[in-house]
Amino acid sequence: QVQLVESGGGLVKPGGSLRLSCEASGFTFSDYYMSWIRQAPGKGLEWVSYISSSGSSIYYADSVKGRFTISRDNAQNLQYLQMSSLRAEDTAVYYCATIKAVAGIYFQHWGQGTLVTVSS
Amino acid sequence: DIQMTQSPSSLSASVGGRVSITCRASQSISSFLNWYQQKPGKAPNLLIHDASSLQSGVPSRFSGSGSGTDFTLTISSLQPEDYGTYYCQQSYSTPLTFGGGTKVEIK
Repeated sequence: QVQLVESGGGLVKPGGSLRLSCEASGFTFSDYYMSWIRQAPGKGLEWVSYISSSGSSIYYADSVKGRFTISRDNAQNLQYLQMSSLRAEDTAVYYCATIKAVAGIYFQHWGQGTLVTVSS
Repeated sequence: DIQMTQSPSSLSASVGGRVSITCRASQSISSFLNWYQQKPGKAPNLLIHDASSLQSGVPSRFSGSGSGTDFTLTISSLQPEDYGTYYCQQSYSTPLTFGGGTKVEIK
């Protein structure tokens, strides 16, 4: 079955950097678009970024553009989110998700999330 | 950016009751609307995609309707395990945006 396991979260100071990883299994990773979605403590969901199956198309939310970089390694079934210039408002649980497209696109499978805390 | 507004923000209903949650988009999004359920401490779970298509494995008591700017998620007969927060999400254009959520409690 589909499994997505995020890692790399933790406590980081404002202005610092962190790299999140998402290890995928149970499906053909290279066939799927992938995404990161985050949820601040006690708040709703916020889409962060997504990447096409080949990595050639990438989109970001304005709130992270220029600071975060999404990437993937299809040979290793891994997705990454490199986060830099971190701010307090980036504190959230970060979820990795597969994207499915029938008519529109939707987040079909989700990982359990990894918590990023930005604080001095 | 397309704004998604859900109502109500919370509700409490009895087991067996019918529940409806609405989601309104700030502009027409055709049928590019998805619904998710999230239980406390867990990742969201896809319920409905493209406004009315039931995700595989989701009970048939869940249904979605609407197009354009107004959408509805209906639970026909609320069950104890249906508690949680429900989110709509549009995929008409980037940035992909979610509604603020509707918290469902069981009386």
